[in-house]
Amino acid sequence: EDKVVQSPLSLVVHEGDTVTLNCSYEVTNFRSLLWYKQEKKAPTFLFMLTSSGIEKKSGRLSSILDKKELFSILNITATQTGDSAVYLCAVETLPLTTSGTYKYIFGTGTRLKVLA
Amino acid sequence: DAGITQSPRHKVTETGTPVTLRCHQTENHRYMYWYRQDPGHGLRLIHYSYGVKDTDKGEVSDGYSVSRSKTEDFLLTLESATSSQTSVYFCAISGGYRSPLHFGNGTRLTVT
Repeated sequence: EDKVVQSPLSLVVHEGDTVTLNCSYEVTNFRSLLWYKQEKKAPTFLFMLTSSGIEKKSGRLSSILDKKELFSILNITATQTGDSAVYLCAVETLPLTTSGTYKYIFGTGTRLKVLA
Repeated sequence: DAGITQSPRHKVTETGTPVTLRCHQTENHRYMYWYRQDPGHGLRLIHYSYGVKDTDKGEVSDGYSVSRSKTEDFLLTLESATSSQTSVYFCAISGGYRSPLHFGNGTRLTVT
């Protein structure tokens, strides 16, 4: 069974700290790994990773994928209170038994709280 | 923001009544998905569509049906709502291979 596991489940830090969020996966026919940020409403897209070892970066956020060890990390440096959210990891797969539709399997998320 | 509109935004209904949630997109994307989000379970796939009139089941499809008569619209129906279907429902769309999934703002459904 395909699965995506995120750790830690929750995290409380102070402004200015650096945090690392983890995502490991076991899926058939891996296509890509995606990170999302969810505040009070819908998840918003952060990164898509397809190749091992290539860092994606956007401001204070960065992410990298290891396809050999089947995991990804999301780093947030110099955290701010606005970074408080649930961070979701998802894996895009192409199951063998479908008509060719890509599926996205989500982890349960890491809840990050940044204190002022 | 991806052009995805869900309606209604909130709904309270009674056990045993049918409920239909609507997702409308303006991106002309082929793939559309319905997820439900519950504490401790994350986002779980209910049904998805890979084209007009082409749909399939996800991991938690029992008690739900879907229809897609036009590219832009994907409907989720709870045939006879139960309290276990109280949840936040998200519609999402994708352009296909290695394309990010983009979400609507969700529908909060409460079944009393």
